[in-house]
Amino acid sequence: EIVMTQSPATLSVSPGERATLSCRASQSVSTNFGWYQQKPGQAPRLLISGASTRATGIPARFSGSGSGTEFTLTISSLQSEDVAVYYCQQYNNWPITFGPGTKVDIK
Amino acid sequence: QVQLVESGGGVVQPGRSLRLSCAASGFTFSSYAMQWVRQAPGKGLEWVAAISYDGGNKYYADSVKGRFTISRDNSKNTLYLQINSLRAEDMAVYYCARGVRGVITPFDYWGQGTLVTVSS
Repeated sequence: EIVMTQSPATLSVSPGERATLSCRASQSVSTNFGWYQQKPGQAPRLLISGASTRATGIPARFSGSGSGTEFTLTISSLQSEDVAVYYCQQYNNWPITFGPGTKVDIK
Repeated sequence: QVQLVESGGGVVQPGRSLRLSCAASGFTFSSYAMQWVRQAPGKGLEWVAAISYDGGNKYYADSVKGRFTISRDNSKNTLYLQINSLRAEDMAVYYCARGVRGVITPFDYWGQGTLVTVSS
């Protein structure tokens, strides 16, 4: 099983500032990788697939990069509505696995 | 618009069985692989099971293999998850999700989830 780790566990960012989230895979997943956002009481929402392709309707302030084992999600200018838990996911090998999440809040 | 609506959750005793359903609308259900993902209270996301567009291929997490069965009825646009021999660790919100393409894939649409509570 591919183990996904995320850092930091919690990230506090001032409004308008940049937020950088990291995810590492225990072995290469190529670019078969995605990011999800989950707000309290809601279902997850796909942000990024293919490591860097924004899903439909996702604002341009969200961007993804990386390949292999190291990935980054950047929120270029944090908005209040971005407060959420962000999960990474690999879909290169069975079983599909998620990281433990990074909680983003407003400083 | 794409809609996925789960049902069938509730309070169930350990060792009993339960069948979850996911009614799909707004897209050609028979063309997409589907998934079940669960989230224990206060915890992260755990992929549970996947099924190909035609039901011919099924995949399971090791934690549920042999106890859970994923199935679909394309004539009813409905996805199912049969859960047998329920355990305390199966308590979670269960989400159905649509795969973007193929079976091993990101999930572009999710339902709102159905809560399964395991309690005696």
